[in-house]
Amino acid sequence: DGGITQSPKYLFRKEGQNVTLSCEQNLNHDAMYWYRQDPGQGLRLIYYSQIVNDFQKGDIAEGYSVSREKKESFPLTVTSAQKNPTAFYLCASSIGLAGGSYEQYFGPGTRLTVT
Amino acid sequence: DQQVKQNSPSLSVQEGRISILNCDYTNSMFDYFLWYKKYPAEGPTFLISISSIKDKNEDGRFTVFLNKSAKHLSLHIVPSQPGDSAVYFCAASARQTGANNLFFGTGTRLTVIP
Repeated sequence: DGGITQSPKYLFRKEGQNVTLSCEQNLNHDAMYWYRQDPGQGLRLIYYSQIVNDFQKGDIAEGYSVSREKKESFPLTVTSAQKNPTAFYLCASSIGLAGGSYEQYFGPGTRLTVT
Repeated sequence: DQQVKQNSPSLSVQEGRISILNCDYTNSMFDYFLWYKKYPAEGPTFLISISSIKDKNEDGRFTVFLNKSAKHLSLHIVPSQPGDSAVYFCAASARQTGANNLFFGTGTRLTVIP
């Protein structure tokens, strides 16, 4: 059963703590992405990775970090430097440029609440 | 700077009638457009896409129309069903630049009234 998994579904943290959100895919996709969604707003790109061991900043990368050590995994760390970390975080993947496909497939999301 | 805009935050339609969701974009480099459907607390699911070489793409009850000169696209759902009630996001990509990043609109919440 192929897809993208994100865990946990809900996450609560105290202000000042770093937190890592998990994203795993078994679709054999090259490209992976992290977005955040806030109420009344669209999806904003945080980081993306076209290939293992390479990643690029998106529009709102400040206060976040990522790694791409394995093709199937793209964890996102929300650091204490992120001023407004409470949001719904979405991970996505796509075949990538080599496959000529531009559809991105999304995981179920993680709602992070920082108090 | 929002490059993809969905100016209607919400739309209500009677079951069986047509739903028309609109999207405008500003970047003339965009050449591939997608529509996603999203339920609360879930990830978006891909619905339908269109390349800039076409002006229409149809898949069952869903049809996307593209007007390049107006930088406008629309999603038509006919007939609308209660299960179509969700938030719909328009997205665009500039494939010709060699990138495959998507730029999303802010979404339109569709409510189909039984």
